[in-house]
Amino acid sequence: KAGVTQTPRYLIKTRGQQVTLSCSPISGHRSVSWYQQTPGQGLQFLFEYFSETQRNKGNFPGRFSGRQFSNSRSEMNVSTLELGDSALYLCASSAGDSSTDTQYFGPGTRLTVL
Amino acid sequence: AQKVTQAQTEISVVEKEDVTLDCVYETRDTTYYLFWYKQPPSGELVFLIRRNSFDEQNEISGRYSWNFQKSTSSFNFTITASQVVDSAVYFCALSGVSGYSTLTFGKGTMLLVSP
Repeated sequence: KAGVTQTPRYLIKTRGQQVTLSCSPISGHRSVSWYQQTPGQGLQFLFEYFSETQRNKGNFPGRFSGRQFSNSRSEMNVSTLELGDSALYLCASSAGDSSTDTQYFGPGTRLTVL
Repeated sequence: AQKVTQAQTEISVVEKEDVTLDCVYETRDTTYYLFWYKQPPSGELVFLIRRNSFDEQNEISGRYSWNFQKSTSSFNFTITASQVVDSAVYFCALSGVSGYSTLTFGKGTMLLVSP
């Protein structure tokens, strides 16, 4: 099976712009989670989608949003970018049937905000 | 609230040495799962192991072994005869039944294996 794919792999944006990141889960997986990784804060949970519904959300401002499509692919959007949004954004997929399913991660999108 | 502590920020060893990465966790859930992931320089988190709270048997997979001790809330990871390719950041993570698909990660331990 193909793994989790994320596009693009690298992005450079300027403050105030918005960005959309894409994630395609492993075939058959219905849950997609997003995490932000920074040197200071480490890996932090953003949100999780299951069957096109946001099932769980982390402690991030409303500028961070996401959605999931009927084919389980997911996008996350960050509006009004700030310098502190520079990070590696990781997407993970799991079967989603249980809250403790193993999550498999993609290669990430490295976002740089100038 | 859940918490995972990896007290070792960075460990340096020479090839063929054994190394143990420590992980201590806190949770109020009686049922939970513990994970270890490896993050090589490429950035992708690679799943290594998943262990549920009711299974305290140690696990061995090749040069990797895991020691789960519920009494001390620890889930330590040992690499035997380390190799240069083991150089990476290793993360311990916790998932409880109270939060769907939410992993709480430790800060990670960077392992540097030199030839």
